[in-house]
Amino acid sequence: KQEVTQIPAALSVPEGENLVLNCSFTDSAIYNLQWFRQDPGKGLTSLLLIQSSQREQTSGRLNASLDKSSGRSTLYIAASQPGDSATYLCAPDSGGYQKVTFGTGTKLQVIP
Amino acid sequence: EAQVTQNPRYLITVTGKKLTVTCSQNMNHEYMSWYRQDPGLGLRQIYYSMNVEVTDKGDVPEGYKVSRKEKRNFPLILESPSPNQTSLYFCASSTPGRSTGELFFGEGSRLTVL
Repeated sequence: KQEVTQIPAALSVPEGENLVLNCSFTDSAIYNLQWFRQDPGKGLTSLLLIQSSQREQTSGRLNASLDKSSGRSTLYIAASQPGDSATYLCAPDSGGYQKVTFGTGTKLQVIP
Repeated sequence: EAQVTQNPRYLITVTGKKLTVTCSQNMNHEYMSWYRQDPGLGLRQIYYSMNVEVTDKGDVPEGYKVSRKEKRNFPLILESPSPNQTSLYFCASSTPGRSTGELFFGEGSRLTVL
């Protein structure tokens, strides 16, 4: 059974700092991995989906990397802004139709 | 605008009073799924549907029912709600391939069962 760990559970940084969020998973046989953002009281917004054949995916100030063999993914946020404050979740997809497993997230606070 | 719409967004009910949470998507997605989110447990899948009239259990299906009579709608039914079903519920949809595909989520429905 896939297990997903996100460390740290919470992170507080000053505005402008570059930061890395970590995601590790136990079953490396995945098709893709998706990073989501969740604002308080809101749904999940897809940030990046990185295929198993890819090593990186970029969108604006966000960069996600994937190392399948070691069961790790990182989300890099450049020049953080207060608007980046949210909970970030990773979700590896092991294939099939019920094989997306979610981490419990990293709660990020960017202080102005 | 492409979206997944859930209703109601907030609901307080009492034990045993049947309720339905609706979910509708306008992206013509084949796959739809319900999750519940609880502190410290993350998101757990309740039921999913591959297409019209095709549904299957997720990890925590007890106490829930679903139906998929139309492609765009996937309601979640609690026949006899209990306090342990107090949670934040999310509906999601995607176009699957070999995997579930990129998931799009609704805004969530916060349910309290007294």
